[in-house]
Amino acid sequence: GAGVSQSPSNKVTEKGKDVELRCDPISGHTALYWYRQRLGQGLEFLIYFQGNSAPDKSGLPSDRFSAERTGESVSTLTIQRTQQEDSAVYLCASSLGTSPFFGPGTRLTVL
Amino acid sequence: AQSVTQPDIHITVSEGASLELRCNYSYGATPYLFWYVQSPGQGLQLLLKYFSGDTLVQGIKGFEAEFKRSQSSFNLRKPSVHWSDAAEYFCAVGAGLTDSWGKLQFGAGTQVVVTP
Repeated sequence: GAGVSQSPSNKVTEKGKDVELRCDPISGHTALYWYRQRLGQGLEFLIYFQGNSAPDKSGLPSDRFSAERTGESVSTLTIQRTQQEDSAVYLCASSLGTSPFFGPGTRLTVL
Repeated sequence: AQSVTQPDIHITVSEGASLELRCNYSYGATPYLFWYVQSPGQGLQLLLKYFSGDTLVQGIKGFEAEFKRSQSSFNLRKPSVHWSDAAEYFCAVGAGLTDSWGKLQFGAGTQVVVTP
């Protein structure tokens, strides 16, 4: 596609439920990143995929967070047993050896 | 550890006036520096980036930034703002490693309001 796409654009869930967020990177981009943006704050790095290398999970805040990527294509970020502090905009970005291009984000609200 | 500070949370500027947004970074090696803009309901858009070379970097939408190593700063400027420049601006620093270009440390952002 022309840009990074993410779905859903908005997700409202109840505390304790699991959620899955999807990211479709720009075709051909080998690197994919997930960030979290809490209200009024900057972006926090979560996880990074590069080709077939083991992902860099150094930014994941807890073991409730996980992500997968199928080859150099779609990625899914899963949050288990959601908590209210997980409410944020989750941004995906992809790149090919240069600065990343960001998607529009998924706004997650945990009630 | 790398870090980025944007001292101004909120700036109000009149349309046609000049704008300067401050960014200070802490990084042990040569930093790779970025400015992104985020408009309401839209994703982050790259304004400009500094990797090496000329310390004055030109970006899109008439923005420029100057890298000053001695001051650990990478301030963003625009000579004459337009109403459409109202947005949130983020400074970011990265290691620029070939396998992790996009692993960036972001500042908290500066909200810019443009008045008529």
